[in-house]
Amino acid sequence: DIQMTQSPSSLSASVGDRVTITCRASQSISSYLNWYQQKPGKAPKLLIYAASSLQSGVPSRFSGSGSGTDFTLTISSLQPEDFATYYCQQSYSEITFGQGTRLEIK
Amino acid sequence: QVQLQQSGPGLVKPSQTLSLTCAISGDSVSSNSAAWNWIRQSPSRGLEWLGRTYYRSKWYNDYAVSVKSRITINPDTSKNQFSLQLNSVTPEDTAVYYCARVTKYSSSQYYYYGMDVWGQGTTVTVSS
Repeated sequence: DIQMTQSPSSLSASVGDRVTITCRASQSISSYLNWYQQKPGKAPKLLIYAASSLQSGVPSRFSGSGSGTDFTLTISSLQPEDFATYYCQQSYSEITFGQGTRLEIK
Repeated sequence: QVQLQQSGPGLVKPSQTLSLTCAISGDSVSSNSAAWNWIRQSPSRGLEWLGRTYYRSKWYNDYAVSVKSRITINPDTSKNQFSLQLNSVTPEDTAVYYCARVTKYSSSQYYYYGMDVWGQGTTVTVSS
């Protein structure tokens, strides 16, 4: 199966900061990469699909880029509601998720 | 708007069968553009996709290799829902279980797939 590795595992940042999270696939997955946000006690929420397409209703401060094996999720200006855990997920073959990146308030 | 409502027991004994149901509103389990999935989440295994059922002129099922020998996902068109059965459970199957819809998106002449609607989650504990 395809392994998805996120970095960093955790990150401290302040409101207004620009933040980037990285996801690396163990083999090429073209653009079959999604990003999710999860808050405690809640189900994940789809933010980005096809590596760079913004899901309807998601604020434009979220963006995604990359193809092949290396991908990034960027939040341009952190808002209080953005502090959560973020996951990447590939749909190129049997679905797998990254281990998550916990974004905490500095 | 589409909603998924999960139901099922929160406690299952070892060696028995875990059974959960996901009721769909606002969409159809027989949709030709969606797939209906089960995912679980635990501290030790993270988010783990278990399998899916979908209709494309006939019914298809795909299962994760890790659970393939123990899992069944069935659609129920009369109730517009789908179910998960996981046999011979052990404490390692303790997790929060989610159902989710995968939607097909078109981008740059290709199709991509994302889990855009999720159930509320069910905490299942395997213990005697």
